[in-house]
Amino acid sequence: EDQVTQSPEALRLQEGESSSLNCSYTVSGLRGLFWYRQDPGKGPEFLFTLYSAGEEKEKERLKATLTKKESFLHITAPKPEDSATYLCAVKAAGNKLTFGGGTRVLVKP
Amino acid sequence: DTAVSQTPKYLVTQMGNDKSIKCEQNLGHDTMYWYKQDSKKFLKIMFSYNNKELIINETVPNRFSPKSPDKAHLNLHINSLELGDSAVYFCASSHRGANPSSYNEQFFGPGTRLTVL
Repeated sequence: EDQVTQSPEALRLQEGESSSLNCSYTVSGLRGLFWYRQDPGKGPEFLFTLYSAGEEKEKERLKATLTKKESFLHITAPKPEDSATYLCAVKAAGNKLTFGGGTRVLVKP
Repeated sequence: DTAVSQTPKYLVTQMGNDKSIKCEQNLGHDTMYWYKQDSKKFLKIMFSYNNKELIINETVPNRFSPKSPDKAHLNLHINSLELGDSAVYFCASSHRGANPSSYNEQFFGPGTRLTVL
């Protein structure tokens, strides 16, 4: 069965303090790894899709990378508006996404 | 210009009642999904429909019945509600196209918080 584990569960950062979130996965036949951002009371918002090991994608202060066993979401010089829960999900055969438990990020000014 | 919308946003009801949640997407996608997010924030797939055909049906009690009248709508009907059904339910959509293994991302609605008393 596909498994996704995210760490840490929670992360407190000072504004400007860069850090990384980890997403470890076990899946047979990875068809894509997805990062989402979820704000309280809202649905997940799509950030990135990574398809193969070595791939990297960037958006503003966020950069996602992928290896054969894990993905990292790097937050560079975060701002308070980057506070959210970041979710990682993998897709194997078909269109089923398996999500991790998320990392709650709080960026203090 | 809402992409994926759900109604209602909040639903409070008594045990044993039957309720429905509606979902609509205006993205032109051909695949829609229902997810359940429990109190620990884990998102788990429940159902998926592609062009009105059920393609994913996880281990969900048969009290839950999805209905897709057309490609843009996927409703969730729940019979005989139980306390454990309390959660946030999210609808999502994506474009699958001709390739069932396509990588296309899923877009989520705002969620429906269901509370069963």
